[in-house]
Amino acid sequence: QVQLQESGPGLVKPSGTLSLTCAVSGASISSDNWWTWVRQSPGKGLDWIGEISHSGSANYTPSLKSRVTMSVDKPRNQFSLKLSSVTAADTAFYYCATLYCSSTSCYYPGWGQGILVTVSS
Amino acid sequence: QSALTQPASVSGSPGQSITISCTGTSSDVGGYNYVSWYQQHPGKAPKLMIYDVSSRPLGVSNRFSGSKSGNTASLTISGLQAEDEADYYCSSYTNSRGIFGGGTKLTVL
Repeated sequence: QVQLQESGPGLVKPSGTLSLTCAVSGASISSDNWWTWVRQSPGKGLDWIGEISHSGSANYTPSLKSRVTMSVDKPRNQFSLKLSSVTAADTAFYYCATLYCSSTSCYYPGWGQGILVTVSS
Repeated sequence: QSALTQPASVSGSPGQSITISCTGTSSDVGGYNYVSWYQQHPGKAPKLMIYDVSSRPLGVSNRFSGSKSGNTASLTISGLQAEDEADYYCSSYTNSRGIFGGGTKLTVL
């Protein structure tokens, strides 16, 4: 069963860049799954940020598209999220997840434990 | 795409059944069988409970079931137990983008 683990700074200064990494175990990042980032502001619901395939093809939510970059590191079996020009509104728990998608099925079978990132000076 | 619509809260007594609805559009919930449901306990990551509208992953209790009619999907939990108290999120996938519902807080009275 795939396991995911987020890592990165828990505190980022306003206008800075949030950088997180998700280590994948139990599956190859070169599989057909898509690798996803979801965030959750404290006390709020889940917000889809975007996804990336092993080939580097990425889809981002329109509201963050100008500030988001995702990448894949095949040798290390991990993928990453960068979010630039952050503000307090970007303070949230950030989860990485794997998306299994076929012609008849799409769902997120695996999630990381989440990491709280606070934007503050 | 806007978030899927869920009731903010539902409640039930132990042993009872409850249903949580998830309303989307013909472009997401109504157009594909890509509806999934996630359970989230406080401070924990979401956990897959239902996928493909009504399929259960191995290890998930058969007290959890899913269905869909038109643009609305539903999650039913029968024989409520105290451990079921959590937040529940529906999800769909369309146009190369994931969509989540706003979440429903289930309280077991």
